[in-house]
Amino acid sequence: GENVEQHPSTLSVQEGDSAVIKCTYSDSASNYFPWYKQELGKRPQLIIDIRSNVGEKKDQRIAVTLNKTAKHFSLHITETQPEDSAVYFCAALISGGYQKVTFGIGTKLQVIP
Amino acid sequence: AAGVIQSPRHLIKEKRETATLKCYPIPRHDTVYWYQQGPGQDPQFLISFYEKMQSDKGSIPDRFSAQQFSDYHSELNMSSLELGDSALYFCASSLVAGGYNEQFFGPGTRLTVL
Repeated sequence: GENVEQHPSTLSVQEGDSAVIKCTYSDSASNYFPWYKQELGKRPQLIIDIRSNVGEKKDQRIAVTLNKTAKHFSLHITETQPEDSAVYFCAALISGGYQKVTFGIGTKLQVIP
Repeated sequence: AAGVIQSPRHLIKEKRETATLKCYPIPRHDTVYWYQQGPGQDPQFLISFYEKMQSDKGSIPDRFSAQQFSDYHSELNMSSLELGDSALYFCASSLVAGGYNEQFFGPGTRLTVL
């Protein structure tokens, strides 16, 4: 099955700085890579995703890059704000089927005002 | 837009009791997934149903069972509860038939076993 590794497990940045979270996956058949943000006590919410036919996707301050050859993908948050503080989970799976989401261990991001 | 509904939102049970968690997927979604999230941990997949049939099984204990009904809602039945079952249980739904696998999570049910 798929194995997703994520690092760092914790990350503290000053407000306005950038934050980068990195993930690697094991199954070369995986073609869909969502990122979830989970605030304390709340559900994971999809914030951005990328499919294997593109190398980068951007949505305002959030961007995700994918390197299929190396089987790793990253989340980039620019101009961080205190409300970005949360736990971020990456995942990799095969789109189009009912495959479960296999999450990374999560990265607790703290943005210091 | 309609979201995934879970009930109850909070549940307190004693050891060895039973609990039933309910999940109502987004309308027209055909797949339901159950996850268990312990404190400070990532969500762990338990089980999923596609078109009312079990589609995948993860780390679901034998004491738990689940099913998806004709109206696509799903129930997770938990028996002989243990202290370690205390966790946040998420249900997620997706539309697999449409070719996408984006999963939308419900608000979760927080189960506390005393």
